[in-house]
Amino acid sequence: AQSVAQPEDQVKVAEGNPLTVKCTYSVSGNPYLFWYVQYPNRGLQFLLKYITGDNLVKGSYGFEAEFNKSQTSFHLKKPSALVSDSALYFCAVRDPRNTGFQKLVFGTGTRLLVSP
Amino acid sequence: DAGVTQSPTHLIKTRGQQVTLRCSPKSGHDTVSWYQQALGQGPQFIFQYYEEEERQRGNFPDRFSGHQFPNYSSELNVNALLLGDSALYLCASSFWDRGNTGELFFGEGSRLTVL
Repeated sequence: AQSVAQPEDQVKVAEGNPLTVKCTYSVSGNPYLFWYVQYPNRGLQFLLKYITGDNLVKGSYGFEAEFNKSQTSFHLKKPSALVSDSALYFCAVRDPRNTGFQKLVFGTGTRLLVSP
Repeated sequence: DAGVTQSPTHLIKTRGQQVTLRCSPKSGHDTVSWYQQALGQGPQFIFQYYEEEERQRGNFPDRFSGHQFPNYSSELNVNALLLGDSALYLCASSFWDRGNTGELFFGEGSRLTVL
């Protein structure tokens, strides 16, 4: 069964500094990986995905993620954090074998706090 | 372009009651999925509907049922409510033919409190 782990409940950074939110995965075969962000009392917003190709994936709002197969990781990064990036971030994985099925398995989330 | 809309946004029920939550997918989307997000947890997959049929189901009891209508909108029904059913229920829509490489678009959720 596929799963993702987000080892940090919370990440704190100062505005202007780079940020990293960690995610590791477990899945049979090549994984399909996603990052979503959730602002307070809101639904989830798609940030980026890795399906195949370049290990560095660029997404919305200046975020990018690096896929590392040997370390089974898909860490979310941003070169310069903004206070408005403060939110809850979820990593998710999808089984690549079931082409019609769109079930996402989410991690427990990491709260990002960016201080002014 | 309207995104995914859900109703109601908040509701309170008592144990044993039944609840119906509604979802209208993003314009053009034909597939709807439902997720349960308990407080402090990541969303958990309940089921997915396409062409008015349940296509995939997560580890949820039969008390959780759904329906998709010809206009692609969907309902989630939960019977015999338990305290543990208190959660944010998220609806997500997508294109079926994007398969498992396409992203899901989520609504803002319906927050259910069971007393």
